[in-house]
Amino acid sequence: ELKVEQNPLFLSMQEGKNYTIYCNYSTTSDRLYWYRQDPGKSLESLFVLLSNGAVKQEGRLMASLDTKARLSTLHITAAVHDLSATYFCAVDINDMRFGAGTRLTVKP
Amino acid sequence: DAEITQSPRHKITETGRQVTLACHQTWNHNNMFWYRQDLGHGLRLIHYSYGVHDTNKGEVSDGYSVSRSNTEDLPLTLESAASSQTSVYFCASSEYRGSTEAFFGQGTRLTVV
Repeated sequence: ELKVEQNPLFLSMQEGKNYTIYCNYSTTSDRLYWYRQDPGKSLESLFVLLSNGAVKQEGRLMASLDTKARLSTLHITAAVHDLSATYFCAVDINDMRFGAGTRLTVKP
Repeated sequence: DAEITQSPRHKITETGRQVTLACHQTWNHNNMFWYRQDLGHGLRLIHYSYGVHDTNKGEVSDGYSVSRSNTEDLPLTLESAASSQTSVYFCASSEYRGSTEAFFGQGTRLTVV
């Protein structure tokens, strides 16, 4: 059965710092998604990664996919407070399964 | 604008009652999903549908059912509500299998007392 693991689950960062969130999954897939959720809100799509080596960037966030390692990363560059949220990765095999989420807090 | 809406947004019900949560999308998407979100578990898939009259069980389907009689709607029914089903429920839809992201509704907070 597909397992999707994110780490860390909690991340507290200083503004201006860089950090990476990792998403490992247990079954071969070349379809991976990243979502953002603000407290009490719904999920918003960030990135769609559909092939090995795919890299997408939006502002201070960059996502990549290594299907051979079954690993995706979400890299945060020069964090700002507005990035504070919970980030989820999701893997699509026959259906879409989510990781437990990484709760990111960016402090001044 | 096309959208996906859930109703009600909040619901309190008693143990043993049947409850139905509505999900309606106006994108004409083939794929629709129901998830529940609980602290420490992320989102767990309950049921999903890839088209009219198609339904499939997800990883936590016990005690839940869905039916898809048209493209726009995928109602989720709790046959006999239990306290363990207290959660936030999200409905989502996507256009194509495996190539497009899913769009989520605003969620329904269900409390079973």
